[in-house]
Amino acid sequence: DIQMTQSPSSLSASVGDRVSITCRASQDIRNDLGWYQQKPGKAPKRLIYATSTLQSGVPSRFSGSGSGTEFTLTISSLQPEDFATYYCLQNNTYPLTFGGGTKVEVK
Amino acid sequence: QVQLVESGGGVVQPGGSLSLSCAASGITFSNYGMHWVRQTPGQGLEWVASIRSDGTRKYYADSVKGRFTISRDNSKNTLSLEMNSLRVEDTSVYYCAGAVPPGLWGQGTLVTVSS
Repeated sequence: DIQMTQSPSSLSASVGDRVSITCRASQDIRNDLGWYQQKPGKAPKRLIYATSTLQSGVPSRFSGSGSGTEFTLTISSLQPEDFATYYCLQNNTYPLTFGGGTKVEVK
Repeated sequence: QVQLVESGGGVVQPGGSLSLSCAASGITFSNYGMHWVRQTPGQGLEWVASIRSDGTRKYYADSVKGRFTISRDNSKNTLSLEMNSLRVEDTSVYYCAGAVPPGLWGQGTLVTVSS
């Protein structure tokens, strides 16, 4: 199974900050990676798929990069509505595997 | 609009069975691979099972293999998850999700396994 190691597990940031979250895959997953945002009591929301393709309707301050085994989600200027938990998901090989999550909290 | 609506959650004793359903609307259901993803309250996301758009291939997490069965009825736009031999550790919110990687999500249904 492909393990997804996500870091950090939590971070504190302020509105306007640039934030980056990393996922490392235990083997090459090409660009088969998605990023999700989840708020308490809500279903996850897909932000990015295929490493860097922005889901329709998602603000352009979100971006994704990487390939192979290392991937990054970047929020260029954190907004109040961005405080949430973020997950990566590899869809290269079954079983699909999620990263452990990153909770973005108010500093 | 696009909607996935899960139903069937509830409380069941260890060793018991439960069947979840997911009704899809607003999409051409037969075009989408579908998944079940679960989340223990306060914890991360765990993929449970997937089924191809035509139902020909099914995939399961090791933690549920042999106990859970995913199926779909494209004529009724419905996804199902039959859960048998339930364990306390299966207690979670179960989400139905569509597309690869999952881009359409239901609101979730809570399954509690407890004596």
